[in-house]
Amino acid sequence: GAVVSQHPSWVICKSGTSVKIECRSLDFQATTMFWYRQFPKQSLMLMATSNEGSKATYEQGVEKDKFLINHASLTLSTLTVTSAHPEDSSFYICSARKAGGFYSNQPQHFGDGTRLSIL
Amino acid sequence: AQTVTQSQPEMSVQEAETVTLSCTYDTSESDYYLFWYKQPPSRQMILVIRQEAYKQQNATENRFSVNFQKAAKSFSLKISDSQLGDAAMYFCAYRTTRTGANSKLTFGKGITLSVRP
Repeated sequence: GAVVSQHPSWVICKSGTSVKIECRSLDFQATTMFWYRQFPKQSLMLMATSNEGSKATYEQGVEKDKFLINHASLTLSTLTVTSAHPEDSSFYICSARKAGGFYSNQPQHFGDGTRLSIL
Repeated sequence: AQTVTQSQPEMSVQEAETVTLSCTYDTSESDYYLFWYKQPPSRQMILVIRQEAYKQQNATENRFSVNFQKAAKSFSLKISDSQLGDAAMYFCAYRTTRTGANSKLTFGKGITLSVRP
């Protein structure tokens, strides 16, 4: 159980276009979802945290207008990279966590990631 | 703010041997979770092992075990009987027990483990 599906797994597009990445929790309800960016041989960098039905909380230095996050349901969050440019090329990973009360011991479940290449 | 430090960028181990990956962290909290994640070349994040700070007993999962030293804020991962499939990048991570804005994983920089046949 606790499967997170991320789609697409790889996308190549032209500079200036917008790209949407979907993250779905297939067999559980995810009240919180996380979006990470990862460069080769580096660690995961948290971009934003989203809670269902509310605005995402972005980490310092992450452009909110550039990386639009929507968490409209308990099983789906989307990341849209707007007007993408070559410097946005990276590996993007989503992660989802179930609700767990004030003290949560719920683990985070990760999607398989999306490789984004902007030409 | 919490920090997680993995000072060794790379390690190598002979197949069937044992290797220990180091991790230290800094926090002012008394209760928290610690994790080791594995990221193979497929780049999927796989949870290897998890430790609750209030538990004195070190967590074990088959060939994987941890040495959790709370006072020293150290959390090392031992891989016994190393296999070729263990070759991956390993990340140490910290998380508070509380929910809310700070309830997120803080990752170390990672260590690349290679396994020699």
